[in-house]
Parts: sequence; C-alpha cells; structure tokens
Amino acid sequence: QSVLTQPPSVSGTPGQRVTISCSGSSSNIGSDYVYWYQQVPGAAPKLLIYRSNQRPSGVPDRFSGSKSATSASLAIRGLRSEDEADYYCATWDDSLSAYVFGTGTRVTVL
Amino acid sequence: EVQLVESGGGLVQPGGSLRLSCAASGFTFSSYIMNWVRQAPGKGLEWLSYISSSSKTIYSADSVKGRFTISRDNAKNSLYLQMNSLRDDDTAVYYCARFSGSGTSYRDLDYWGQGTLVIVSS
Repeated sequence: QSVLTQPPSVSGTPGQRVTISCSGSSSNIGSDYVYWYQQVPGAAPKLLIYRSNQRPSGVPDRFSGSKSATSASLAIRGLRSEDEADYYCATWDDSLSAYVFGTGTRVTVL
Repeated sequence: EVQLVESGGGLVQPGGSLRLSCAASGFTFSSYIMNWVRQAPGKGLEWLSYISSSSKTIYSADSVKGRFTISRDNAKNSLYLQMNSLRDDDTAVYYCARFSGSGTSYRDLDYWGQGTLVIVSS
C-alpha cells in the first residue's frame, strides 16, 4: 500500500491537456523533491521529471511538473498517442527511510 | 553509454533463494548510489533497497527486510540482491536503477536496467 496516491486512470483526446495528481504527506512530498517516471507496457520505467519540475534532456516540453506543500502534479499538454503509458510519482520518505512510488496512473489517449 | 544489465532471475520454489546481479558499465559505478526496484505482474513499482557508493549505508523496504540483502562489488562494477525465504508474492520483474548523484537533491532514478523476471512457484 503506497503512501503516495494517484488516480488510477486519466484519459484525453489528442491535443488535449491532462494532469495527474500525486498526494502525499509532510514526511515525503512535503520534505523532498518529487520525481515522475513513465513506463510504456513491456519496458523499463523512464525518468520524466526530476527535482519536481525539471526535465531531463530529450523529454519534450509538453511534460511539466509542479509541487505544492504535500501534493504534486504532472501535466501533459498536446496529448499524443505515444503518451499512452503508466506514470508514477516518487520521492523519499523521511519517516520510512525509504523511496516511495505512487500508486501509478494509466494515461489513455482516446 | 550507461548500461545496467540484470541477470539471475528464474523459477524458484517458495522458501528458496536466488541471487540477482546487475552489471554496470559506461559510468564510474563506485561513485553512485544504486537501488533495486520490482514490479509484480500487472502491479505498480515497488522500491526495495538502496546502497550507498561505499556500501556504508543501506536502506530496505519493510516488505523485504530480513529476507533480501543488497550488496555491491565496486571492483567488479556489480550490484547484487540476495533473496532468501522467497514467497509467491515476490514474483516480479526486478530492476536495478541508479540515483543520478549523491545527496538529497539527486534521488532521481536516471538509468534503469531492462529487468529480470523472478517467478516463485511450486
């Protein structure tokens, strides 16, 4: 049972903007950066956002991250078919002394 | 090019043991914190364990504490996960992954291996 809660699924049509929320607490999101990973079925996860709002080189600027208090969000604008994947937030939890992943969100492009 | 290649997965009976390896190349392995993460079939990602560059600091998830042990051999550029007392619910793909740097600002898992499948079944 994860300490970071995400909606199970989000969907949108091509070109739309969708957002994925990640809710935590003061011991995790409230005290550390948030990271986002994208996982296409059958593949290893890939880093999408680091330090809450930074994109690694090669990640399109359609992806953006934000954090406020004990919650974080990932936004995808200009949704494309290749964005269909599972998305996970993650951070360090000081109380657990553990790295924690969110429950994961499946993005579907209609 | 950074590469992480896991090996050692396979079919094992409940109660059995298995040792996973992760061969690293393309970077100075001895300078990086490494982790193991797993994913059960159809489930989400679960972090398992962290080992500092010098092996001095180790953290593990409660779900595997006392059963799984992370270790590394910097001379061999290799990371290991010794798994004992395996249970059915340990069936998963196991990934090794690197933190991008040391310090609290570098807890992004920037490189992942392709994963190795462990099946625990009688």
